[in-house]
Amino acid sequence: TQLLEQSPQFLSIQEGENLTVYCNSSSVFSSLQWYRQEPGEGPVLLVTVVTGGEVKKLKRLTFQFGDARKDSSLHITAAQPGDTGLYLCAGMASGTYKYIFGTGTRLKVLA
Amino acid sequence: DAGVTQSPTHLIKTRGQQVTLRCSPKSGHDTVSWYQQALGQGPQFIFQYYEEEERQRGNFPDRFSGHQFPNYSSELNVNALLLGDSALYLCASSLGPTRGGTEAFFGQGTRLTVV
Repeated sequence: TQLLEQSPQFLSIQEGENLTVYCNSSSVFSSLQWYRQEPGEGPVLLVTVVTGGEVKKLKRLTFQFGDARKDSSLHITAAQPGDTGLYLCAGMASGTYKYIFGTGTRLKVLA
Repeated sequence: DAGVTQSPTHLIKTRGQQVTLRCSPKSGHDTVSWYQQALGQGPQFIFQYYEEEERQRGNFPDRFSGHQFPNYSSELNVNALLLGDSALYLCASSLGPTRGGTEAFFGQGTRLTVV
């Protein structure tokens, strides 16, 4: 069974601080997505990474896919209250068509 | 360009009843997946429809069934509702395998409450 574990589960920081969220697995994924979800809403796709070692930047967010395609990280620089939300990583399980979601990281950025 | 739309947004049902949730995929997408998200957890895969057939199924009982129509829209049906079926039900659309689909786009979800 392929699992994705995220850490930390909860994070409360002050505006302007930096943070990193990790998504780890013992399995290889052909691609990995990061989503952000607001309460009562569906997840919104932030980025897709497909190549081992790939780094993608989205304004203050930097996403990295591990060389072995088993893990990923999301780094936020100078966090703002608008970054508050649930961050989810999701990978397509090999040999299947389904996405496996991580447990989620709930981020709160205080003004 | 319309994204993924789901209806209804909220629903309250009584234990033992049946419910039907609907989803229209993003324009140009032909594959629809359904997920259940319990409070405080990540989404869990229910099943995926492609070419009007269930292509893959997660660990959900037969009470959960679905359908995909020729216009690619989809329905999720849940029979004999249990209190534990209360959750946010998410629909995701993507491109089919022959079109290089690797990204899933989600609707806003249907919040189902079973009382």
